[in-house]
Amino acid sequence: IAGITQAPTSQILAAGRRMTLRCTQDMRHNAMYWYRQDLGLGLRLIHYSNTAGTTGKGEVPDGYSVSRANTDDFPLTLASAVPSQTSVYFCASSDHGSGSPLHFGNGTRLTVT
Amino acid sequence: TQLLEQSPQFLSIQEGENLTVYCNSSSVFSSLQWYRQEPGEGPVLLVTVVTGGEVKKLKRLTFQFGDARKDSSLHITAAQPGDTGLYLCAGYNFNKFYFGSGTKLNVKP
Repeated sequence: IAGITQAPTSQILAAGRRMTLRCTQDMRHNAMYWYRQDLGLGLRLIHYSNTAGTTGKGEVPDGYSVSRANTDDFPLTLASAVPSQTSVYFCASSDHGSGSPLHFGNGTRLTVT
Repeated sequence: TQLLEQSPQFLSIQEGENLTVYCNSSSVFSSLQWYRQEPGEGPVLLVTVVTGGEVKKLKRLTFQFGDARKDSSLHITAAQPGDTGLYLCAGYNFNKFYFGSGTKLNVKP
């Protein structure tokens, strides 16, 4: 089934550790996004990529980095995790264009202790 | 940051009642989308509105985009328990989607 695959589904991580959240899409969409979802704050954009080889900062980029080596993969790295990064992380993709819908994965629930 | 405010934040109603959810911003968006999210899953698109004043209907759901393209509403007629979920609006500008904080709807049988 076409869509977005995120891994892991959930993770408990000690503060200070490095962690990479994986995201793969098979729809050949050019744009990909990482959001975090916290209670009462909706979805906030961390980083995005309009096309392979390019990335940009969203609303809350600090403490996170991304890369887009090819069309399908868009990993999100926490270099040194902190408790405030405890959240549910969603990866999404879309075809470029203002009417194009976002297709989301099922999220990664990350707890930083 | 292009802020989108949704209201109400929570809504608990009986089956058969009508309800309206609002999404407001001081920013103009080139398009606006509504998503529904169930626990443990990612949001799923309900509708996209592009033109100011546009009204779209999806069965019992009616979506409206404000004339100035700064606000939107979602009206549900005769709500059913299957409508329970988190409803999110998202405005699109400059290659980014900005999400509202969401409205958590609970429809009791």
